[in-house]
Amino acid sequence: SQQGEEDPQALSIQEGENATMNCSYKTSINNLQWYRQNSGRGLVHLILIRSNEREKHSGRLRVTLDTSKKSSSLLITASRAADTASYFCATALFNTDKLIFGTGTRLQVFP
Amino acid sequence: DTGVSQNPRHKITKRGQNVTFRCDPISEHNRLYWYRQTLGQGPEFLTYFQNEAQLEKSRLLSDRFSAERPKGSFSTLEIQRTEQGDSAMYLCASSLPAREKDGYTFGSGTRLTVV
Repeated sequence: SQQGEEDPQALSIQEGENATMNCSYKTSINNLQWYRQNSGRGLVHLILIRSNEREKHSGRLRVTLDTSKKSSSLLITASRAADTASYFCATALFNTDKLIFGTGTRLQVFP
Repeated sequence: DTGVSQNPRHKITKRGQNVTFRCDPISEHNRLYWYRQTLGQGPEFLTYFQNEAQLEKSRLLSDRFSAERPKGSFSTLEIQRTEQGDSAMYLCASSLPAREKDGYTFGSGTRLTVV
């Protein structure tokens, strides 16, 4: 079963625009992570935010976490064509090392 | 060490045959995970190991599936009597212990097609 659901399922933007993806989850978490997957490839870890953090930045990425609403958002600023990929949120629960992945957002950035 | 390696990259098999996939994790990572991903979906957890111990198995892992990590290094995932519904990408990942974890490192996956 998948705990996280991403919204929107698909997003198309022009280069230079910002892209925002949202993730909702169901149960209390230890941390939440975002991954990128290019077509037919493995996933690449982007950023991890712990349950006691509210915002985190890494380069052009900004992640927020609202544990009261059980939601997170990933903002990619000044998007590039190379950002075209699927993006997944994944939640780490307490007392287990496994990650539970969401359904993903497919981002298309047009040059 | 160039990351997580999975072999083969692609496997086409006839229904009813057995298949085995191999995963070589990053050497200092003691956690190893198997996931399955179908088209348009997120990865679904199958099982994970801490060193050679299999700590958790998903209900998705029927009795036709078995995973091993005999020496705490590489791992194998075997599917017996394959069915068309087993067609998917099988992903392996590894990580450091939880207190130091900064995410998983994934391999490129093995794409299984059952015909």
